[in-house]
Amino acid sequence: SQQGEEDPQALSIQEGENATMNCSYKTSINNLQWYRQNSGRGLVHLILIRSNEREKHSGRLRVTLDTSKKSSSLLITASRAADTASYFCATGQYNAGNMLTFGGGTRLMVKP
Amino acid sequence: DGGITQSPKYLFRKEGQNVTLSCEQNLNHDAMYWYRQDPGQGLRLIYYSQIVNDFQKGDIAEGYSVSREKKESFPLTVTSAQKNPTAFYLCASSTEVTRNTEAFFGQGTRLTVV
Repeated sequence: SQQGEEDPQALSIQEGENATMNCSYKTSINNLQWYRQNSGRGLVHLILIRSNEREKHSGRLRVTLDTSKKSSSLLITASRAADTASYFCATGQYNAGNMLTFGGGTRLMVKP
Repeated sequence: DGGITQSPKYLFRKEGQNVTLSCEQNLNHDAMYWYRQDPGQGLRLIYYSQIVNDFQKGDIAEGYSVSREKKESFPLTVTSAQKNPTAFYLCASSTEVTRNTEAFFGQGTRLTVV
């Protein structure tokens, strides 16, 4: 079962614009993570936010978490063509070996 | 270099054959995972292991088998019982359950049935 669901499924923007992706989940979590995947490659971890945190920054990335709404958002500011990739949210659950459950992803295209 | 290595990168299987995908990590991680990814889709969990000699089924374990004889290794066998095995397979590892840590992924194995 997929815990997280990303929205939108695909996003196309111009270089320099901001990109916002949303993730909703169903059950209680202890953390939520965002990953990036370039086409045909493995996933790379971007950022982790714990359930007791509301916002976190890393470079041009800003992640928010609203546990009351069971949702998170990933904002990429001043996007670059190199940001073109798929972005996945994943939720971590204590009672399952820190097993991560992934959503379907948002495919981001940044046009130069 | 520390990391997680999957091999081979591409694998072709004939109908009725079993094939084994390799996953090795030198990160000293206790937990290891296998995911399947279909084109344009997210990741679905096949099996995971929290410790040597122990593993648990994920959401789509039918037609797959694993072993965890060593901490560093978590091979996945795709058996002939898996009717639609063509997919991209990703292996990952992470530290044990009580920590909020990231997962490290290999570069994947693309399996095609011919």
